[in-house]
Amino acid sequence: GQNIDQPTEMTATEGAIVQINCTYQTSGFNGLFWYQQHAGEAPTFLSYNVLDGLEEKGRFSSFLSRSKGYSYLLLKELQMKDSASYLCAAMDSNYQLIWGAGTKLIIKP
Amino acid sequence: GAVVSQHPSWVICKSGTSVKIECRSLDFQATTMFWYRQFPKQSLMLMATSNEGSKATYEQGVEKDKFLINHASLTLSTLTVTSAHPEDSSFYICSARVATGGSQPQHFGDGTRLSIL
Repeated sequence: GQNIDQPTEMTATEGAIVQINCTYQTSGFNGLFWYQQHAGEAPTFLSYNVLDGLEEKGRFSSFLSRSKGYSYLLLKELQMKDSASYLCAAMDSNYQLIWGAGTKLIIKP
Repeated sequence: GAVVSQHPSWVICKSGTSVKIECRSLDFQATTMFWYRQFPKQSLMLMATSNEGSKATYEQGVEKDKFLINHASLTLSTLTVTSAHPEDSSFYICSARVATGGSQPQHFGDGTRLSIL
């Protein structure tokens, strides 16, 4: 079956760095997406990886290892506004997104 | 770019009422639109995928006669919750994608919070 695993909740300190891991199993693979969702709001697109390696976008970076079925989202210089849920989603061979349950990130001062 | 507008943001209505939610892609043509439902503190649940000009594909367990989807143009899809009941109360979110393949992300509307009394 198809499956996405990510931690349910993580806590980090303002100004620090946090890494949110995601492992996936899909029928075929057409890329890995990360979305941010603040409470009560719709998700917003953060990043897309289809090749192995690290993609950096400001304070946020995303990494993919296709052979390991593994990705992570790295958030640097954490700010209070980064408190949100982070959703990992893998695109299968039919270009359908398989969604993880999301990781709730709590930032403490 | 890639703005998706969803309307209305909030709906409160009586049990038995039908409610229509609109999803528009404002600056791109969306060949595919998706409808999700999200209950509090739970993940997104895909309800259906709609392609312009064809019937929507519903996920298992979603009643097609209850949740009517129309994708009549490349910029508009609608979801109608027919004869809504309190258990239909949820956060409904649409998303749109430009192409059926490749690295195109889904862009989300702001969601519609539906409360059935």
